[in-house]
Amino acid sequence: DAGVIQSPRHEVTEMGQEVTLRCKPISGHDYLFWYRQTMMRGLELLIYFNNNVPIDDSGMPEDRFSAKMPNASFSTLKIQPSEPRDSAVYFCASSPPRSFANYGYTFGSGTRLTVV
Amino acid sequence: AQSVTQPDIHITVSEGASLELRCNYSYGATPYLFWYVQSPGQGLQLLLKYFSGDTLVQGIKGFEAEFKRSQSSFNLRKPSVHWSDAAEYFCAVKTSYDKVIFGPGTSLSVIP
Repeated sequence: DAGVIQSPRHEVTEMGQEVTLRCKPISGHDYLFWYRQTMMRGLELLIYFNNNVPIDDSGMPEDRFSAKMPNASFSTLKIQPSEPRDSAVYFCASSPPRSFANYGYTFGSGTRLTVV
Repeated sequence: AQSVTQPDIHITVSEGASLELRCNYSYGATPYLFWYVQSPGQGLQLLLKYFSGDTLVQGIKGFEAEFKRSQSSFNLRKPSVHWSDAAEYFCAVKTSYDKVIFGPGTSLSVIP
């Protein structure tokens, strides 16, 4: 299994530009999570999906952020327009169907976003 | 509200020494508890988890953790630290929904 795959690994963009981050979860995992990591705020849950349906987006900071999961194997997180304060590492994680025996997130390697 | 605290921001230990990383949680019901490790430039990796049963749980890489309900703690331990254990360690709790809340992390440095 290739694990959770995120792209790109690094993104540098100018303020005001649109940024799209991508994630491919592990096959068979029906939960997908987007986290943001910064030194100041640590790991923040932005949004999560179950069976491709957004369940909780209360962590999405502003309307500039949006996330989609058009199918079980792909999700995007979009920031439009981007601002310098959006600079962070964005992680995608997936989890199998709810069962303690196999519960636990598998994280991707993250996308380091720098907005200048 | 559910929360996770890790009192130690940074810990330094000598290679071969024992290690204990502290974690306290706030949660009304029986918690799902986790420890994750993050190496530089990498995502988080699950070390171990607890839901019920034996309060001492074993994980990967020689780590173990003990759940103490009376102290609302879930401390991570390792009897002998290796230089490769230098990383950031996160304690986490799963809420009544499917969200996992992470603590602020403890950075571990290992002196050769």
